[in-house]
Amino acid sequence: GAVVSQHPSWVICKSGTSVKIECRSLDFQATTMFWYRQFPKQSLMLMATSNEGSKATYEQGVEKDKFLINHASLTLSTLTVTSAHPEDSSFYICSASAGLAGGNTGELFFGEGSRLTVL
Amino acid sequence: GQSLEQPSEVTAVEGAIVQINCTYQTSGFYGLSWYQQHDGGAPTFLSYNALDGLEETGRFSSFLSRSDSYGYLLLQELQMKDSASYFCAVRNYGQNFVFGPGTRLSVLP
Repeated sequence: GAVVSQHPSWVICKSGTSVKIECRSLDFQATTMFWYRQFPKQSLMLMATSNEGSKATYEQGVEKDKFLINHASLTLSTLTVTSAHPEDSSFYICSASAGLAGGNTGELFFGEGSRLTVL
Repeated sequence: GQSLEQPSEVTAVEGAIVQINCTYQTSGFYGLSWYQQHDGGAPTFLSYNALDGLEETGRFSSFLSRSDSYGYLLLQELQMKDSASYFCAVRNYGQNFVFGPGTRLSVLP
């Protein structure tokens, strides 16, 4: 299967700082990547859909100025949490689909996730 | 609106069979996927149904009824390592995936 790599796997930062999370598709080109946030024992909540070469599409309630998404190439998307606060502490997971947004398999390939803790 | 419903928890013993149901209401529908997630890990893909019927992959099977907006994941010959959270997800017309709340499966010896 396709491989998606996410970095860093965990990060601790001080309140008010910014944190960048990278998501790379290693063996396929991902025109679309998705960013999810997951709180403990809860489901994955879609934050935004990242399209290569264009602006990300944010879900309702997600602050686009706080969660900056850049998809500069077909293999890399980044999520920057700006001016992080303790309530932003969460598990952030990127995913990508190969071909036509998952093609006909309905499969999303997930990165390993990044656990952010804001002190 | 979009919503998916799953039981929050299921408990079973090793060797048993478990069925996890999922009902959905979405703005569009291409298919229903199932994912497994162990604590602290990322979700991994299990199966996908675009058409009505049963899909079998080893010990796991998934069923879909589009007319009933309903599907289920069937796990057979349960093993301890199957203890995890299971999510159904709808692939909708927006080309994204909406996840259900998840079902926590505990397999007991």
